[in-house]
Order: sequence, then structure tokens, then C-alpha cells
Amino acid sequence: EVQVVESGGGLVQPGGSLTISCVASGFTFSDYWMTWVRQAPGKGLEWVANIKGDGSEKYSVDSVRGRFTISRDNTENLLYLQMNSLRADDTAVYYCARVSRVSVAGTNWFDPWGQGTLVTVSS
Amino acid sequence: QSVLTQPPSASGTPGQRVTISCSGSTSNIGRHTVNWYQQFPGTAPKLLLYRDNQRPSGVPDRFSGSKSGTSASLAISGLQSGDEGDYYCSAWDVSLNGWLFGGGTKLTVL
Repeated sequence: EVQVVESGGGLVQPGGSLTISCVASGFTFSDYWMTWVRQAPGKGLEWVANIKGDGSEKYSVDSVRGRFTISRDNTENLLYLQMNSLRADDTAVYYCARVSRVSVAGTNWFDPWGQGTLVTVSS
Repeated sequence: QSVLTQPPSASGTPGQRVTISCSGSTSNIGRHTVNWYQQFPGTAPKLLLYRDNQRPSGVPDRFSGSKSGTSASLAISGLQSGDEGDYYCSAWDVSLNGWLFGGGTKLTVL
């Protein structure tokens, strides 16, 4: 079964750091781009960052660039999101998802999604 | 500013057909395919439709999608109480160099 499972969320003070993880199974992890999407309480979905299968390309949304770093360990099938200088508006459930493999750029989709891990930034 | 606009709510009675719109621009829907995700309270989003109108295995054919120009639509026919939840459209945006999500539409079955 193709599956991704997040972990590592928790309570962190403003200005603090946290790294969350996502372990993948059921597919050849290194063949796929992976992504992080977040959802603030009661709000909609926001794409955060994505990373190519070999880790050579990374992209992120403006609001986290310079503070968050996406990375991966293909030997352990792990995806990471290192979050620094956390702010209250980073409070959200963070989902990891696999990006579909397609030949035409811009036609990808996210499937499957993990169950999410909650990051709360508060003093 | 790159945005995908959805109505905040939609509703229908069991058996009815409901449509949810998603309006974008030439930097996203106008040049790339649209995906739809379904989310029930307290659970993770799930892929509902991809590449404008393709259904993953297991998704009933009551769910269909279409796209014209810079807008897309999700149609749900034979509405059921189990369809209640939030629906999000999504597309790649060349200006953002990343993915956009619509604000989500909360579907209520009356």
C-alpha cells in the first residue's frame, strides 16, 4: 500500500525551531517529487514546499522562504521540513504528499496524503 | 496576485446535482490542469479528480470535472449525505512557481 505518515509536530515558542518528518512506504521514494501542504485551524489548504526525487531542486512559497527548509533522505524514505523563526501564523496541520509522476509540467497532482501533524506556535 | 476563487459554500438535497466553481487566471487554470480534493472534518484531504476530469480508482462517476478558459467546475450528481465536506480546487501557477489552492467550498446536504 502506498502510504505517507507524518510525525514530529508539537508546541513551540515564537522564534523557535522544529523539524517534522514524513516516512513513505509502498513506492520507490527516490522516483517522486514530494511536497508539504499546511492548513491553519479552520482555514484552507496552502502549499508550502516541494522537492525533487534526488533532492536537487526545491521550491517554496514566499511566506516561508528563508525560514523553512525541505529535505529528504532517500536511504530511509524520509521527507523533512525544518522550520526556523516560527511565527504564530505558522500554526497549522502540516501534510506531506507524494507528487504524481507526469511528463508534462504543471499537470501533477498530490496523492496520497498523510494524516498530518499539528504544529502550534505559541508562548 | 495569484488566487483561485471558490464559493465558500454550496448546498443541495439528496439526489440533486450540485456544481462548485473555481476561477483562476492565465497563469494557472488557463495553462495548467486542475485537481480537486475532498476533505471531511478532522481528516486529511483526498484526491477526488485530477487533470481536470480524471477520476482516481474508487471515486464514483457521480463526481465529474470540467474546465473552460480560466475556470473549472466540479459537479456532483445524485447528492448523498456522505458527500458533505470541504472541496478544494488546485492548479500549478507559473507566477508563484508553485501550487495554488482555492479557498475551499463547504458542501452541505440539506
